[in-house]
Amino acid sequence: EAQVTQNPRYLITVTGKKLTVTCSQNMNHEYMSWYRQDPGLGLRQIYYSMNVEVTDKGDVPEGYKVSRKEKRNFPLILESPSPNQTSLYFCASSANHNEQFFGPGTRLTVL
Amino acid sequence: GENVEQHPSTLSVQEGDSAVIKCTYSDSASNYFPWYKQELGKRPQLIIDIRSNVGEKKDQRIAVTLNKTAKHFSLHITETQPEDSAVYFCAATDSWGKLQFGAGTQVVVTP
Repeated sequence: EAQVTQNPRYLITVTGKKLTVTCSQNMNHEYMSWYRQDPGLGLRQIYYSMNVEVTDKGDVPEGYKVSRKEKRNFPLILESPSPNQTSLYFCASSANHNEQFFGPGTRLTVL
Repeated sequence: GENVEQHPSTLSVQEGDSAVIKCTYSDSASNYFPWYKQELGKRPQLIIDIRSNVGEKKDQRIAVTLNKTAKHFSLHITETQPEDSAVYFCAATDSWGKLQFGAGTQVVVTP
């Protein structure tokens, strides 16, 4: 089954404790991205990757890192999480820049 | 970069009536305009899209129109049903091919 998976789905952590949210797709898509969703602000892109070892900043990259060592995986790293990073995070992939397939989401709370 | 504005932010309609959501974009080079539906607690999913060489596209009860001159596009849902209740996002690609999302419209269909 073609899908995008994310883990964990829910995470409560404390300020400053490094965390990683994993994202994996099995559709051989070149393009992957991370979004955060906050009430009234829609989906804002954090980082994106057009292929292995190619990543670039989206609209709200501050406080986040990503890596793309393999085509299927695109982890999101928060080196020192802060409360303003409490949000719902979605990973997405696409064969081009057009239709995006979203993962199930990760709800992160930073205390 | 691309800026997408979406209106209204909330829309309440009686079952059986029509719903219209409008979006404007700023980048005249934008050429792809998808609409995503997000049910409560779920991931966004593509419901319809339109490209810049087409003025209108229809799929059963949903249709999208595009006015390139005015740089706006709209989603039309006819004969609304309770299962149409969701958040709807419009999006547009910028000149780099990156998707920019609107802030979303909460649609509530009342029986």
